[in-house]
Amino acid sequence: NAGVTQTPKFQVLKTGQSMTLQCAQDMNHEYMSWYRQDPGMGLRLIHYSVGAGITDQGEVPNGYNVSRSTTEDFPLRLLSAAPSQTSVYFCATGQGPLEQYFGPGTRLTVT
Amino acid sequence: KQEVTQIPAALSVPEGENLVLNCSFTDSAIYNLQWFRQDPGKGLTSLLLIQSSQREQTSGRLNASLDKSSGRSTLYIAASQPGDSATYLCAVSPSSNTGKLIFGQGTTLQVKP
Repeated sequence: NAGVTQTPKFQVLKTGQSMTLQCAQDMNHEYMSWYRQDPGMGLRLIHYSVGAGITDQGEVPNGYNVSRSTTEDFPLRLLSAAPSQTSVYFCATGQGPLEQYFGPGTRLTVT
Repeated sequence: KQEVTQIPAALSVPEGENLVLNCSFTDSAIYNLQWFRQDPGKGLTSLLLIQSSQREQTSGRLNASLDKSSGRSTLYIAASQPGDSATYLCAVSPSSNTGKLIFGQGTTLQVKP
């Protein structure tokens, strides 16, 4: 039982490049979400999903896309990376509105 | 708009002290409140979850209380140890059907041997 896994752990991108951050869970949780953590800003919700095929925007969705084709996976796509997207990205899962479990994070730098 | 505030931002105590971390939120219409621990460069570890109908939860040396009407929660750590040094985050869930969390900015705790 791996829980919540995120890949890659570190990534450096150049402005304008695209990439996908992967999140996978093996707990059969309905709810999955993406947060970014920035100094002085705390954790902010980017996108979330309440089940396969259902996604919605969070507080800071601009520049990011998500899809949820399976229960297990919830990838986050950066369409055209910008320096403002330099951050640590966390994926979280939960069974309904109960306790949320976080992955180890992806540290992204955009130059 | 729901806002979550944690005071103090940083705290340094000698080993063995009992301490209290504070969390306040502006909208009392929450579904639950969760306390997390984050070690430097790591992810978040869930410590305690309090449902809106509950007043407190306990796990080992940790006790979390919730006063929804006043918009406050406290995390009490008994007999602190150097291994408790970390950032502690509180987060509220504003609804029962999304799993969304709104976070405070955290309290960074240092416990000195």
